[in-house]
Formats: sequence, C-alpha cells, structure tokens
Amino acid sequence: DVKVTQSSRYLVKRTGEKVFLECVQDMDHENMFWYRQDPGLGLRLIYFSYDVKMKEKGDIPEGYSVSREKKERFSLILESASTNQTSMYLCASSGGGLNTEAFFGQGTRLTVV
Amino acid sequence: AQKVTQAQTEISVVEKEDVTLDCVYETRDTTYYLFWYKQPPSGELVFLIRRNSFDEQNEISGRYSWNFQKSTSSFNFTITASQVVDSAVYFCALSESNNNDMRFGAGTRLTVKP
Repeated sequence: DVKVTQSSRYLVKRTGEKVFLECVQDMDHENMFWYRQDPGLGLRLIYFSYDVKMKEKGDIPEGYSVSREKKERFSLILESASTNQTSMYLCASSGGGLNTEAFFGQGTRLTVV
Repeated sequence: AQKVTQAQTEISVVEKEDVTLDCVYETRDTTYYLFWYKQPPSGELVFLIRRNSFDEQNEISGRYSWNFQKSTSSFNFTITASQVVDSAVYFCALSESNNNDMRFGAGTRLTVKP
C-alpha cells in the first residue's frame, strides 16, 4: 500500500516562528503536493513538485516555501508563521502523468498563536 | 486556469435516500482527468474514481455511480440507498495535461441520518 506520512498530526506554534512540515512517501512517486484545507474553501494548492529540486507555485504560495532534496520527501516551510496560517495542511503524492490518483497523508492541524 | 465548482456546500438526507453530488469543471485542455475523493470524519482523503476526458461512459460501482457529461462540463456523483457510513465530505478534482497539479473543489459535506 502507498503510504504518505506527515511528521505531525497536531502542531502549535507562535507567531513569527519558522515552521517545518515534513512529508514522506514510500512509493517512488514523482509528484508531491501541499494543500491547505479551510472550511468552505476546500483544498487549496500551495506548492507542488514534479521532481527532485523542482517546484511550482500553486494558488496560494505567499508566506510559504518548499524543499524537495530527495524524491521521497517534500517539506513545507512557513518562514514566519502568522495566525492566518492556522489551518489543516495536507500532503499528497502521485505517480508520473495525469492518470494516477493522488494519495494523501493524514494531515497536520497547525495552530499559530 | 482550471477550476472546479461544487455548488452544494452541505446536503442532509435520511438513510436509504438517493443523493447526487454535483461537480462542474472548467478547463481549456482537451486532455484532462477528473477525480472524486471522500474525506470521512477521520480526515484522510480516500480516492473513489478517476475518469479521463475521452471516456464519457458512466460508471457504477455498487451503490456509487458517476455521470460524466462533457457537453455540460459536469462530473456528478450519485449514491443510491445512502447509508450512515456515507457521511463525509466529498471532493471533486481536476488534472490537466499541461501540468502535473491537481485542483479541488470546495467540497460537499454529506450527512446521512438514520
């Protein structure tokens, strides 16, 4: 079974802190994604990566950066956390091409106080 | 830019009723894929179905069926004889041939009451 693992289920951070959300997949997938989920807004794409060291901005990249140094790991970085970044963060991965579904991690609920 | 609209924010039905969840998409690509995902209360999204833009054949899987109509840019999902375990948030998503990303709709929260 494909497994996508996010390092934390719950996180509480202070405003201004640098926050790292880690995601690891074990199926050698080319594509990895970071979404945030907010009530009424669905899943909004922050960043995605289609290869090691490659990244593309999604719909809401402001305030975030990403890192993909190894194929299996995709990190989301909040450079200076703010309260409006309190949200559920979902990582996903998929194989090459369009015709494969994305597999999701269990999510990280981040609260910035 | 691709876009997915799920106009129904919340739906509530009584067990054994049929329910249809609507999904309308927008794309300029001729090659694309559509998906449905289920997010139960536990939170993890579960893949339900994938459909490519060249295959308009409807699909049935048990109590679930999907109706893809390119003429109306819709990919609707019907649950027949709903059950309490169907209660979840359902997301429709779109991937285009020009990029590797996947865009989701806002989701529909389905509540099935006993």
